[in-house]
Amino acid sequence: GAGVSQSPSNKVTEKGKDVELRCDPISGHTALYWYRQRLGQGLEFLIYFQGNSAPDKSGLPSDRFSAERTGESVSTLTIQRTQQEDSAVYLCASRKQEGQTYEQYFGPGTRLTVT
Amino acid sequence: AQSVTQLDSHVSVSEGTPVLLRCNYSSSYSPSLFWYVQHPNKGLQLLLKYTSAATLVKGINGFEAEFKKSETSFHLTKPSAHMSDAAEYFCVVTYRDDKIIFGKGTRLHILP
Repeated sequence: GAGVSQSPSNKVTEKGKDVELRCDPISGHTALYWYRQRLGQGLEFLIYFQGNSAPDKSGLPSDRFSAERTGESVSTLTIQRTQQEDSAVYLCASRKQEGQTYEQYFGPGTRLTVT
Repeated sequence: AQSVTQLDSHVSVSEGTPVLLRCNYSSSYSPSLFWYVQHPNKGLQLLLKYTSAATLVKGINGFEAEFKKSETSFHLTKPSAHMSDAAEYFCVVTYRDDKIIFGKGTRLHILP
């Protein structure tokens, strides 16, 4: 079946511009996560959506970052006034439901380069 | 505090020799444990998971991991490394409160 998809796969933008990254989770997955991965680094948690609950935004690094999710479908991560330190791969993952035994399924990521 | 530690940031082994990637987690109620692999410029793929059934878990591509509660460890092993195993490996732990903790990753290098 279809996995998690993300678009665009690559995005080059100028410093100060806004960007929008999209994630399409696996159908029926109630949980959705965004992570940032800087070059050669591990995963940095950004935000978590679970069903209709209020999202966990505790990982967002600044108020320039925001994310939305419509129901249990598409999510968009928006970065306003991009800075060079925002350059990274942004990974999205979905999960069937809440519960510690359920694994995450990751998309291929969006590589963001801020020039 | 809940945590997961991957003891080696880089591991190098020769092709055909055993692989050992180490992972320790902070003690808590029985966690669920996962290993993911990330090949260059690719997304993360689940290798295997432990969810309180058999303590020795077999995954894809010949990898396996053993949950040792007394040592709070979940080390990843493979009897014979292949060039295609060169990648970044992440140990991930989830606890009863559903918090997901990622290790910092171990980069596996395979020497010809």
